[in-house]
Amino acid sequence: DTGVSQDPRHKITKRGQNVTFRCDPISEHNRLYWYRQTLGQGPEFLTYFQNEAQLEKSRLLSDRFSAERPKGSFSTLEIQRTEQGDSAMYLCASSLSPRELYNEQFFGPGTRLTVL
Amino acid sequence: AQSVTQLGSHVSVSEGALVLLRCNYSSSVPPYLFWYVQYPNQGLQLLLKYTTGATLVKGINGFEAEFKKSETSFHLTKPSAHMSDAAEYFCAPNFGNEKLTFGTGTRLTIIP
Repeated sequence: DTGVSQDPRHKITKRGQNVTFRCDPISEHNRLYWYRQTLGQGPEFLTYFQNEAQLEKSRLLSDRFSAERPKGSFSTLEIQRTEQGDSAMYLCASSLSPRELYNEQFFGPGTRLTVL
Repeated sequence: AQSVTQLGSHVSVSEGALVLLRCNYSSSVPPYLFWYVQYPNQGLQLLLKYTTGATLVKGINGFEAEFKKSETSFHLTKPSAHMSDAAEYFCAPNFGNEKLTFGTGTRLTIIP
């Protein structure tokens, strides 16, 4: 399977703990996105990378959140001192840009985080 | 301000009936438009997209959508619902920047 993969698929943690998620994009894609989806809502943009450069961060991304893409391939999203409000599905997507202006994004299966 | 609205958070149709899921956007410039489907505990799968050209676009699983600039709409339709269509559907414009803006979603239930 050459799609976007995410690990882990599920994570349960206690409030105050740190968690890290990994995303592996489609191999030739140079853009990588993180979105957050809370129950009953559509995904909301968090941040995106072009190669290893982080080009945009949403105001939703508080200082407890950090994302990296050190070699322009896989990316990690870390949440420090988790809070119950961080419970959500974290989705990763990738695209090949600027091949197309409309920037079609391909999504992974997501990581569901539950903070107790 | 740029925004997207999906009317109807829940839609129920009988198997074999027409499916109509509504999406309207607000923008001074028509965006690129996408419909995604999400099955329980899974990621998003692209159903179809409108970029340029023909305003009626066909997607996977028998779905299609029509871009109507005058109505700022991009409604999703399927002539005959199947049980396997039960899922959540998201309209997602790209307003010319790097991210997708998702609607709140419509949960489609198929009645046997």
